[in-house]
This record gives sequence, structure tokens and C-alpha cells, in this order.
Amino acid sequence: GNSVTQMEGPVTLSEEAFLTINCTYTATGYPSLFWYVQYPGEGLQLLLKATKADDKGSNKGFEATYRKETTSFHLEKGSVQVSDSAVYFCALSPPRGRGYNKLIFGAGTRLAVHP
Amino acid sequence: GAVVSQHPSWVICKSGTSVKIECRSLDFQATTMFWYRQFPKQSLMLMATSNEGSKATYEQGVEKDKFLINHASLTLSTLTVTSAHPEDSSFYICSASSGEDSNQPQHFGDGTRLSIL
Repeated sequence: GNSVTQMEGPVTLSEEAFLTINCTYTATGYPSLFWYVQYPGEGLQLLLKATKADDKGSNKGFEATYRKETTSFHLEKGSVQVSDSAVYFCALSPPRGRGYNKLIFGAGTRLAVHP
Repeated sequence: GAVVSQHPSWVICKSGTSVKIECRSLDFQATTMFWYRQFPKQSLMLMATSNEGSKATYEQGVEKDKFLINHASLTLSTLTVTSAHPEDSSFYICSASSGEDSNQPQHFGDGTRLSIL
């Protein structure tokens, strides 16, 4: 079946440190891959996405590359800020033509950035 | 941007009562709405998908008689937890999408924390 595994948190970093949050997936075919972010007290927001192999999604300094060979979609940022503190969810949408946009989420990784 | 409002944000009620949670798309028409359940420190689990004007599609293991979903308009879907018990306590999150295409993003509400005493 389809599933997403992401590294357990919390991840604690100092401001301006490099961030990597690992995400691997299991799926048949070529799913679409997403990173969502949930800031304290808010709903989930789409951070970035990639829809085919070797695509790189990027937004707000965050990047993730769709790696089919390693079934991975690791999230990276070169220099984190305190304002990046949030819970990050990796997710996939199974490959299907017409039909609802079903999302399967990882467990979420809490990031805490200290000044 | 697309805004989804979920109400209430927090509810406490006695065991045996029914609780209704609303999910509204404020500035777009939501052809499809999704209901998720999130346990502490766990991922979001899809409960059901609803399309406007038709019956909801429930995921395996989700009791449709327990979790009633209505999607009567393009801007409103409701989840009713019937005869709620303490094991139904959880964080419920809705999302809405303007199309069935796999590239249409889901826009999420802020969630409802349900506590059953």
C-alpha cells in the first residue's frame, strides 16, 4: 500500500543552521509528493510539492527533490529562522487519473529553532 | 488565498451526545472536502471524502453510522460524531479542494479538538 515515513522529532536547531527532515515513501507508480507546514495554532499550509521524478519543489527557502531511485523527498533549508518553528508533514497523493486528491501523511516532525 | 474555516475549534461534551463540526470554504467553491482525524503525535488519517451533492466515501475501518458527513453545498461540509464516547476524543481536521484533478491543492481548516467526558 501507500505510506509515508518521516524522521521523528523534535528537531532542535539554532538560528541559521542547516535543516534536513527526511521523508521516504512507498507507493505504486509515480505519486505526487508534498510538504505541508503547521504553525502553532494554525491549520496545515502547503509548503511545496513535486509531481514527477527529479522535480524540485521550493518555497520560502525550503527545497525538496523527488528521488524515485531512493523513494525519498527530503526537506532542506540552508539557514533556518525562529519563525520556521512548526510541525512539518510529508505527504503523497497516489497516482490516479480522475478522482479525488487523496493525501497520505507522514507522522509529522516538529522543528524548534532557537535564537 | 483560499481560506477554510472550521468551527468549533474546541468542544467538550458528555458521553452519549452528538457533536457537529462545520467546515466552510470562504472564498472558493469546494467540489471536494476531506475529513481527517489526528491522534497525539501521529499523522493525519483520512476518514472520508465528500463531494457536493453525493454520499461521502469512507475509508476502510471508519464507521459511517458513527461519523455522519454531509456536503450539502459547495461551501459547507459537516461532520457529526453521533453518540460520542471518550474513545472518539481526537483532533479533527477538514480540508477542501476546488476540483478532483490530482493537482488541485487541499486547503486546510484549523482543526477541531473534541474531548468527550
